Amino acid sequence: SQTIHQWPATLVQPVGSPLSLECTVEGTSNPNLYWYRQAAGRGLQLLFYSVGIGQISSEVPQNLSASRPQDRQFILSSKKLLLSDSGFYLCAWSRREGTYNEQFFGPGTRLTVL
Amino acid sequence: KQEVTQIPAALSVPEGENLVLNCSFTDSAIYNLQWFRQDPGKGLTSLLLIQSSQREQTSGRLNASLDKSSGRSTLYIAASQPGDSATYLCAVKSTNAGKSTFGDGTTLTVKP
Repeated sequence: SQTIHQWPATLVQPVGSPLSLECTVEGTSNPNLYWYRQAAGRGLQLLFYSVGIGQISSEVPQNLSASRPQDRQFILSSKKLLLSDSGFYLCAWSRREGTYNEQFFGPGTRLTVL
Repeated sequence: KQEVTQIPAALSVPEGENLVLNCSFTDSAIYNLQWFRQDPGKGLTSLLLIQSSQREQTSGRLNASLDKSSGRSTLYIAASQPGDSATYLCAVKSTNAGKSTFGDGTTLTVKP
């Protein structure tokens, strides 16, 4: 069976500090990978998605970046955090082929920027 | 640009009641529509996935329908239980590979 991990679970960082959030998927190969952010009481905003190693598409211009160094590893980074970066960050995966590409989500990382 | 709306934003019902959650979308050219459940502070749990060629999907007490022509999907929950209390989100996958647009969700409270 497939599982998706995210860490850390919670993070409190000062403004201007760097950020690295990690997501890994087990039990599948060549997945599509996604980073979403969820603001309080809101739906999900797609930040980045990747269809393969080193292939990243950005949906929202901002001070965040994403990388995919391995097939099942997806990293969200920032060089300098802003207060507005606070939120709940969710990683998801789906099968690459076919239209039956149901999305499965990780447990999320709660980021608070002070 | 696809837009997804979920109404109402919040719903409170007594235990045992049947209920319907609504999801509407503006662009009918979709691959699929997925319903999720989210408990407070947790990730999303997939409930049902409806392909664009399908009209409905069922899982236990849940039934999701899709009407592409009207840009609507409904999630029917039968015999609601307090454990059903959560936020329910719908997501529409567009014709562009890999992208989904989410609604803001409906927060359901089932009172014992």
